[in-house]
Amino acid sequence: EAAVTQSPRNKVAVTGGKVTLSCNQTNNHNNMYWYRQDTGHGLRLIHYSYGAGSTEKGDIPDGYKASRPSQENFSLILELATPSQTSVYFCASGQGSGNTLYFGEGSRLIVV
Amino acid sequence: GEQVEQRPPHLSVREGDSAVITCTYTDPNSYYFFWYKQEPGASLQLLMKVFSSTEINEGQGFTVLLNKKDKRLSLNLTAAHPGDSAAYFCADNVGDNSKLIWGLGTSLVVNP
Repeated sequence: EAAVTQSPRNKVAVTGGKVTLSCNQTNNHNNMYWYRQDTGHGLRLIHYSYGAGSTEKGDIPDGYKASRPSQENFSLILELATPSQTSVYFCASGQGSGNTLYFGEGSRLIVV
Repeated sequence: GEQVEQRPPHLSVREGDSAVITCTYTDPNSYYFFWYKQEPGASLQLLMKVFSSTEINEGQGFTVLLNKKDKRLSLNLTAAHPGDSAAYFCADNVGDNSKLIWGLGTSLVVNP
């Protein structure tokens, strides 16, 4: 069974603070993704990666950075968190075109 | 670029009734489609993967129909039960990368 784990699961951050969301996958998948989910917007792609050392901008990358130091780990970094970044963030991994994405359990971030 | 329109955004049915969720897409070269289910407060789980060459796909208690002429994908739940209450998302995999184009989701409520 594919396994994607995220941490932290819940986070309250102050405006202007730095937030790092971490994702680990044990599937040996090349591709990893960060999405945010907001009511009325569905899933929106922030950053993704094709492998260790690579990061690509998704559809809404502004205000976010990503880091893929290894095959297993993919982090999402908010250098200066803002209340508009309050959301649920999902990490996913997949092997390529036509392959299923496996999602983590989500990280709920509240920026106050 | 490719777009996916999902309808309806909300759907409420009685237990035992059928429920239909429809996604229309724009790119005739779409190769794969996915349906994901998200129970309240949980992650997204794959419901079904659909290949563009297969018009009818059946799972446990549901059928997915693909009409390539009309570029329409539909999820048909037969005899819905309260455990089907969840958000459902369709996704379109266009081209030879694994980026997905997502519908905005349908919130399904099945009342006893």
